[in-house]
Amino acid sequence: EAGVAQSPRYKIIEKRQSVAFWCNPISGHATLYWYQQILGQGPKLLIQFQNNGVVDDSQLPKDRFSAERLKGVDSTLKIQPAKLEDSAVYLCASPTPGLASSYNEQFFGPGTRLTVL
Amino acid sequence: AQKITQTQPGMFVQEKEAVTLDCTYDTSDPSYGLFWYKQPSSGEMIFLIYQGSYDQQNATEGRYSLNFQKARKSANLVISASQLGDSAMYFCAMREFGTASKLTFGTGTRLQVTL
Repeated sequence: EAGVAQSPRYKIIEKRQSVAFWCNPISGHATLYWYQQILGQGPKLLIQFQNNGVVDDSQLPKDRFSAERLKGVDSTLKIQPAKLEDSAVYLCASPTPGLASSYNEQFFGPGTRLTVL
Repeated sequence: AQKITQTQPGMFVQEKEAVTLDCTYDTSDPSYGLFWYKQPSSGEMIFLIYQGSYDQQNATEGRYSLNFQKARKSANLVISASQLGDSAMYFCAMREFGTASKLTFGTGTRLQVTL
């Protein structure tokens, strides 16, 4: 099966500009995650979707970040306006469907590397 | 408090030798899973190995094994017969099944395999 697709792979913007990232998870996967990985750190969850609904967005800076998942498939993550500290890799992930809850491998996309100048 | 702690920012190992990457975790949830991921310089996160909190035996996947010591809350990754291609960042992560299914990651260990 195809993996998690993300675009663009790289994006450079100036602070206060807007940017959007796109993710297409593995076909049939109901759950989708967006993670932010700042250089030198591990990924941090921004938002989790189950189908169209948000399960966890407790760490999403809602004053500037927004995400949606229309039709329970593709998802977009938007930053408006961007700040310097938003420079990071944004990873999309979806777990293996149909397995027991004790084992739920998350497949990650290649990520979008954002640089805010 | 940190849920996942990786105390080794960087490690060196010679080719063909074994290396242990440390990971300790903190949770009050009796049901959880521990994961190790590899992140090469290209940036993708590659799943390596999984250990469930109720698993009786330590997990193994090829050259990777997980030294799970539940009482000490440690889940160290052992890589045997290191190869040059093992040079990468390695992340330990945990999922607590009593809450959302998100992964909480440590800060990672950069492994460099030398000749």
